[in-house]
Amino acid sequence: DGGITQSPKYLFRKEGQNVTLSCEQNLNHDAMYWYRQDPGQGLRLIYYSQIVNDFQKGDIAEGYSVSREKKESFPLTVTSAQKNPTAFYLCASSVPGQGPNEKLFFGSGTQLSVL
Amino acid sequence: SQQGEEDPQALSIQEGENATMNCSYKTSINNLQWYRQNSGRGLVHLILIRSNEREKHSGRLRVTLDTSKKSSSLLITASRAADTASYFCATDAEFGTSYGKLTFGQGTILTVHP
Repeated sequence: DGGITQSPKYLFRKEGQNVTLSCEQNLNHDAMYWYRQDPGQGLRLIYYSQIVNDFQKGDIAEGYSVSREKKESFPLTVTSAQKNPTAFYLCASSVPGQGPNEKLFFGSGTQLSVL
Repeated sequence: SQQGEEDPQALSIQEGENATMNCSYKTSINNLQWYRQNSGRGLVHLILIRSNEREKHSGRLRVTLDTSKKSSSLLITASRAADTASYFCATDAEFGTSYGKLTFGQGTILTVHP
């Protein structure tokens, strides 16, 4: 089945630890995104990538890092510099040929909690 | 800052009734989209309306856009219990710091009682 796969579904981070959230898509989409969602809130953009080997900071990039070495993969690392990492993280991609701001496809999310 | 603001924050209705959710935004846009999110899941795209369109339909969904008032509404007709979810509007700013990115509102939680 085509889609976006996020793993793991639940992740726990210890103080001072870096953790990496996985996002893989087989939709052949060029653009990929990471959003953070806090309880009862909307989504805030962390990083986005419109093409392989290129990515841009979103509105809340501090304490996060990404890479885009392959079209299918856009992993997000939550570093120890992110002091409040507990949130629901969503990865998304957009339809080819329609630009980066139309009809996003989302993964099922990763809930990150601090131990 | 959030581009879209949604109203109401929560809506509770009976099955068969219509549900209306509103979204207001601040800057000129290229398009406005509505998404649905079931609890603990990712978002699903529902409908997109462009800045030169005033109304759009998709099944039981009707979206309106008033660019003079910088507002949009989503109407779900003949609601079902399965429509229970959070609904988000998202805007694609025409220019400014939000250009090239989708900005999401805080969402409306819809509960449809059987």
